[in-house]
Amino acid sequence: SAVISQKPSRDICQRGTSLTIQCQVDSQVTMMFWYRQQPGQSLTLIATANQGSEATYESGFVIDKFPISRPNLTFSTLTVSNMSPEDSSIYLCSVVGESGYTFGSGTRLTVV
Amino acid sequence: KQEVTQIPAALSVPEGENLVLNCSFTDSAIYNLQWFRQDPGKGLTSLLLIQSSQREQTSGRLNASLDKSSGRSTLYIAASQPGDSATYLCAVGRHNAGKSTFGDGTTLTVKP
Repeated sequence: SAVISQKPSRDICQRGTSLTIQCQVDSQVTMMFWYRQQPGQSLTLIATANQGSEATYESGFVIDKFPISRPNLTFSTLTVSNMSPEDSSIYLCSVVGESGYTFGSGTRLTVV
Repeated sequence: KQEVTQIPAALSVPEGENLVLNCSFTDSAIYNLQWFRQDPGKGLTSLLLIQSSQREQTSGRLNASLDKSSGRSTLYIAASQPGDSATYLCAVGRHNAGKSTFGDGTTLTVKP
């Protein structure tokens, strides 16, 4: 299965600022997924990042708040923009293959 | 719309006990079902993947079963150890292009 390197692993940010999370995959993949996990809750899909086209966002998530880049088949970034305390969550990237889902190690974001 | 439920939400057992975690889903037209382990503040580690045509998968002390007709999967952990303490999530895949639906997880504590 693929190996995903995700960074940063954690950050504490001031409200109103932005944070960019990076994910690097050790193999080429068509789709990468970005999830949010709010405290005590399960995973919610934010968007699907496709190489060469705009990301597809799920209901309740918009590009202005969560811009995504996918410059090639092994790399993607998610930016959390104009952060508020409600954005405090774990953010995870993921790919899917023959072995099912593989996840990055997660980014634990705290907004103060 | 697929709904995934995991019961119980939390479970505490003494070391050495065998235990079963449950995952129920409402739509039996699934592509696969995957069990994950998540340590606090971390990403998800895949434990077992069951394709829709399979009945069970085994890895070491773990055994996962799938009964599509009843909309249920179980994760059996034999001879539990304190290191098994974590949150266990199941994810039900709708098709091979990703976008699984995740349960809320069962938080397991194994006491020495």
